[in-house]
Amino acid sequence: GENVEQHPSTLSVQEGDSAVIKCTYSDSASNYFPWYKQELGKRPQLIIDIRSNVGEKKDQRIAVTLNKTAKHFSLHITETQPEDSAVYFCAASMEYGNKLVFGAGTILRVKS
Amino acid sequence: GAVVSQHPSWVICKSGTSVKIECRSLDFQATTMFWYRQFPKQSLMLMATSNEGSKATYEQGVEKDKFLINHASLTLSTLTVTSAHPEDSSFYICSASLRLGLRTDTQYFGPGTRLTVL
Repeated sequence: GENVEQHPSTLSVQEGDSAVIKCTYSDSASNYFPWYKQELGKRPQLIIDIRSNVGEKKDQRIAVTLNKTAKHFSLHITETQPEDSAVYFCAASMEYGNKLVFGAGTILRVKS
Repeated sequence: GAVVSQHPSWVICKSGTSVKIECRSLDFQATTMFWYRQFPKQSLMLMATSNEGSKATYEQGVEKDKFLINHASLTLSTLTVTSAHPEDSSFYICSASLRLGLRTDTQYFGPGTRLTVL
């Protein structure tokens, strides 16, 4: 089955700096890659997703890149703010069936 | 749009009792619902996938007789933890997705239910 690895497990950045979180997946049939942000005790919130027919997607300060050949995808957050502090999870799935396999998560701390 | 609710938000029960958790899609019909368990400082682990009107598909290692899932309508799925024990204490989160043709859309998560078994 699919296996998703996520790095780093924790990331501390200064406010205003960029943050990058990387994930790799094992199943070449996976073609949908969402990123979720989860604050303590709350539900995961979708922040951006990408499908395998594109290599990059951007939404304001957040961008995701996908390299299908290497089977890895990354989340990029620019101009980080304290409210970006949370746990971020990547996930992968084959769209038909839609079973998400999550990475282990990255604790992002933005220091002001 | 795409709001998913869960009830209760937290529950404390005695060992040996059963607990039912409800997951509802409030403004869309969910063809598929998923149940996850999340232990502190860990990732979300899929327990089972349920489609309306059919039996749930459980992940390897998840006891179907202990975690009963019913998906009676396109807006409601329930998870019953039977004969709960302290090791079942966890954060249970459901999600719902809407299938569009052969594609399935994004999963929308409920707020989670914190279960504590004494």
